[in-house]
Amino acid sequence: DAKTTQPPSMDCAEGRAANLPCNHSTISGNEYVYWYRQIHSQGPQYIIHGLKNNETNEMASLIITEDRKSSTLILPHATLRDTAVYYCIVRVEGKTSYDKVIFGPGTSLSVIP
Amino acid sequence: GAVVSQHPSRVICKSGTSVKIECRSLDFQATTMFWYRQFPKQSLMLMATSNEGSKATYEQGVEKDKFLINHASLTLSTLTVTSAHPEDSSFYICSASINRGIEQYFGPGTRLTVT
Repeated sequence: DAKTTQPPSMDCAEGRAANLPCNHSTISGNEYVYWYRQIHSQGPQYIIHGLKNNETNEMASLIITEDRKSSTLILPHATLRDTAVYYCIVRVEGKTSYDKVIFGPGTSLSVIP
Repeated sequence: GAVVSQHPSRVICKSGTSVKIECRSLDFQATTMFWYRQFPKQSLMLMATSNEGSKATYEQGVEKDKFLINHASLTLSTLTVTSAHPEDSSFYICSASINRGIEQYFGPGTRLTVT
């Protein structure tokens, strides 16, 4: 199972771009990179996912390096409501062909006024 | 987007009693549901995975006789914490997926406090 490493915490000024890095150097060729976030005392929220191309949606952009060993989640204009723990996850193949999401410690992002 | 609900959102029970938590997918049929628990300031820990109509698969270290999971329909899974103890106090979160877990949608969580 590919593991991910993220910085434990980051700060970002409100209105600026938040760039959250993730290393996944043992990722396999058919594994996707997913990002979720969890605001305090709520369930996780799906943000974005990708395989090898960069992806963008209404919430964020995902930049995956060409060798796929790392990625960066970009929140283009961070707001106070983006303060949360951000989890970078590589999809794990389960024993019975359904896929489990295994959470690491994530990055605690604090958006500062 | 897909919506998953949990009931109750908070529950307080006495030690030795059992508590049932429901997880429902409101606008889609979930082939697979997952149960997690989260202790304060820690990450989510996967407890078990269940497919509709079949037995749940538990992660190592999770007691299947203590945490009973029933996935009776494509929109409902229940987690029953049997003979609850104070150390079972935690935030329990479910998620549901449509396509073999490729995209998962999480419920809002249930805060269990055992006194």
